[in-house]
Amino acid sequence: NAGVMQNPRHLVRRRGQEARLRCSPMKGHSHVYWYRQLPEEGLKFMVYLQKENIIDESGMPKERFSAEFPKEGPSILRIQQVVRGDSAAYFCASSSTLAGGQETQYFGPGTRLLVL
Amino acid sequence: KQEVTQIPAALSVPEGENLVLNCSFTDSAIYNLQWFRQDPGKGLTSLLLIQSSQREQTSGRLNASLDKSSGRSTLYIAASQPGDSATYLCARGGSEKLVFGKGTKLTVNP
Repeated sequence: NAGVMQNPRHLVRRRGQEARLRCSPMKGHSHVYWYRQLPEEGLKFMVYLQKENIIDESGMPKERFSAEFPKEGPSILRIQQVVRGDSAAYFCASSSTLAGGQETQYFGPGTRLLVL
Repeated sequence: KQEVTQIPAALSVPEGENLVLNCSFTDSAIYNLQWFRQDPGKGLTSLLLIQSSQREQTSGRLNASLDKSSGRSTLYIAASQPGDSATYLCARGGSEKLVFGKGTKLTVNP
């Protein structure tokens, strides 16, 4: 059973470009979470999705950021018009049930975004 | 506001020493408490998950305890090894998201 997969692992963008980060959850998992880790900071929750639904986006910046988890395919975190402050490691996690219960969240290796 | 604090921020010990990492949280209405390990440039590896109804969990040389009343968790590492060098993160589990501390960077010197 493959773990959570994220690609690309490293992404370099110039200011103003778009960044698309992909996350394939573990097989059988229907809950996806995105977290961001800024340099020297802890991981911060961004958004929680189930298939075709955004459940909680309270951690998402109001502008330029969006996320989706379509019926088919990976979850996508999209950052439009990137700025240098978006440089961070973005981690995706998945769980098979609501994470507050018995299930842990399994994390992917992350995508490290560098904005020049 | 839900906050998770980890102290110390960094710790350096000689090989073989037993050590304790501390984690405190402000909201006692937690669902679970998780400890993760993060190696430089890598993702997170789940070490131990303590449900809110539990007091501790053990895995090999690791033991994690949870005291909801005081809002504290500890990770005990026995007989530390250089391979234990990493950043250790604790995370408070709510109904959905995890709230992380900033981590303790552990260095075990041979």
